Amino acid sequence: QVQLQESGPGLVKPSQTLSLTCTVSGDSISRGSYYWSWIRQPAGKGLEWIGRVYSSGSTNYNPSLKSRLTILVDTSKNQFSLRLSVVTAADTAVYYCARMGIADVDGMDVWGQGTTVTVSS
Amino acid sequence: SYELTQPPSESVAPGQTARIICGGNDIEFKSVHWYQQRPGQAPLLVMYHDSDRPSGIPERFSGSNSGNTATLTISRVETGDEADYYCQVWDGTSGVVFGGGTKLTVL
Repeated sequence: QVQLQESGPGLVKPSQTLSLTCTVSGDSISRGSYYWSWIRQPAGKGLEWIGRVYSSGSTNYNPSLKSRLTILVDTSKNQFSLRLSVVTAADTAVYYCARMGIADVDGMDVWGQGTTVTVSS
Repeated sequence: SYELTQPPSESVAPGQTARIICGGNDIEFKSVHWYQQRPGQAPLLVMYHDSDRPSGIPERFSGSNSGNTATLTISRVETGDEADYYCQVWDGTSGVVFGGGTKLTVL
């Protein structure tokens, strides 16, 4: 059974960098069978895709976040991570990681439980 | 950028059929996925590639995609189906695109 677990600070100060890690169990990122995505959801609002990474390190980012975003993969730890710089209150949200099919037309079939990140001084 | 439009809310009586629509320009040429999100929970994939059901999703859930509209149909609606539903596609410029979500209320 594949499971994803997000981890990281729940509180980040404005203008600082938000850093989260997603740990994958029950599957190997290095198998190269999936993309690994980040999605966020502000309280009471809809889902926003942040970006994805492949086992090779290749990435695709949401154009609206691209200038502040870095997504990395660590196959030795079976983890991938998110770094979002110069955060503001608008970045406060529940952050999810998810597994996405290898073809662009595939959906996201496994999700983490989500972690809440608040941006506040 | 590509946009998906969903009605904010739909309501249906138990046992009836719910149809949740997702509008997008020429969406029939894209592969549409649907997610169910109950309060306080992570999204759950309930339909992929327009009309394929993941393992464990009841046959009451079905999907279609034609023209500018994709539809998630839930037959014999149960109280447990009350949730937010999101459609999603991949766009070559925007990447993953989600609809704004539809809150399904079971009366």
